[in-house]
Amino acid sequence: QVQLVQSGAEVKKPGASVKVSCKASGYTFTSHYMHWVRQAPGQGLEWMGIINPSGGRTSYAQKFQGRVTMTRDTSTSTVYMELSSLRSEDTAVYYCARGWDLLDYWGQGTLVTVSS
Amino acid sequence: QSVLTQPPSASGTPGQRVTISCSGSTSNIGSNAVNWYQHLPGTAPKLLIYSNNQRPSGVPDRFSGSKSGTSASLAISGLQSEDEADYYCAAWDDSLNVFYVFGTGTKVTVL
Repeated sequence: QVQLVQSGAEVKKPGASVKVSCKASGYTFTSHYMHWVRQAPGQGLEWMGIINPSGGRTSYAQKFQGRVTMTRDTSTSTVYMELSSLRSEDTAVYYCARGWDLLDYWGQGTLVTVSS
Repeated sequence: QSVLTQPPSASGTPGQRVTISCSGSTSNIGSNAVNWYQHLPGTAPKLLIYSNNQRPSGVPDRFSGSKSGTSASLAISGLQSEDEADYYCAAWDDSLNVFYVFGTGTKVTVL
């Protein structure tokens, strides 16, 4: 069965970077795009960007351009999302989600807390 | 600041029908498929409706979706207590900077 398993919760100081992983199993890793979506406390879902695990091509939301980097490792079927220059407003649950148009499988979420 | 606008809340008693609207533009809903996600607190969002009106396997048929022009709707008929959740529409946006966008979200309360 398809599974997306994300790395554990992180606590970071303002200005630091965080790298969240999402390990895929149960399907052909390179056949499906992967999105990253976040939800800040009390807020809605926010799209961050997408990566094509086949060639590694990415597209980021304008809001995160210059601060986010999405990569993949095909040998371990894992995608990564790194967010730099963290600020308190980046405190959120971060999700990976499989798909291009419809996001049919989601990771369990990773809580990233930014606090001094 | 999402470009897909939803009412912040909707409610109904068990058994009632609830409808949630999603208003967009020609660059998103007007030219791309709309998907709906159900999000229960503490869990990952779940795909509820895809391609405007299709239900994934396992989603009860009391959930239905529709699209007309630059708007879409999600209907829940025979409302049940377990339907209390946040609901989001979503679509690709083909404006100058192509991006995927979620609606503002609607909290459904079962009275």
